[in-house]
Amino acid sequence: DAGVIQSPRHEVTEMGQEVTLRCKPISGHDYLFWYRQTMMRGLELLIYFNNNVPIDDSGMPEDRFSAKMPNASFSTLKIQPSEPRDSAVYFCASNSGTSTYNEQFFGPGTRLTVL
Amino acid sequence: DQQVKQNSPSLSVQEGRISILNCDYTNSMFDYFLWYKKYPAEGPTFLISISSIKDKNEDGRFTVFLNKSAKHLSLHIVPSQPGDSAVYFCAASVYNFNKFYFGSGTKLNVKP
Repeated sequence: DAGVIQSPRHEVTEMGQEVTLRCKPISGHDYLFWYRQTMMRGLELLIYFNNNVPIDDSGMPEDRFSAKMPNASFSTLKIQPSEPRDSAVYFCASNSGTSTYNEQFFGPGTRLTVL
Repeated sequence: DQQVKQNSPSLSVQEGRISILNCDYTNSMFDYFLWYKKYPAEGPTFLISISSIKDKNEDGRFTVFLNKSAKHLSLHIVPSQPGDSAVYFCAASVYNFNKFYFGSGTKLNVKP
């Protein structure tokens, strides 16, 4: 399996622009997670989906952030408008509700820089 | 407020010696814990887990210890190897809930 795929790997944008991050989970996984990693707060869970339905979005920092999962093989995280404090590495992860250790499989991340 | 804390941002150890990475949590409802390892430019990968019914779990050179009364867990790596140099995250959840709370990570450097 190819693992979790994220695109782009790097994104540099200017404040006020819209940013869209993309994720393809591992085939057959029914949970998908979006995380943000910063130096100050480490890895924070932003939102997670089960069977394409958002289950918990309490970690989404503001209304500027939105996430969708239109089908089992694709999800987006959108920031509109972006701000410099959104600069971070964004990870997507997936797992199956039947996985042995309940571990999540992470993608390589998207490094976002907002100027 | 962070419910999982890794108070040591970095740790340096000589090859062949023991590495001990620590993690504290505040929520007494947590009953399942994972450790992940992360190399630069890659996503975290699962390393080892422990549930609250145990106080120790071993997998090769890696052992995780859980002290529920102290709300503390630790990861021991023996012997440490240069390839173990990475950032280590601990994570906690209520079992069967997929919501994990992660610590801020500890960067381990194993010197040859």
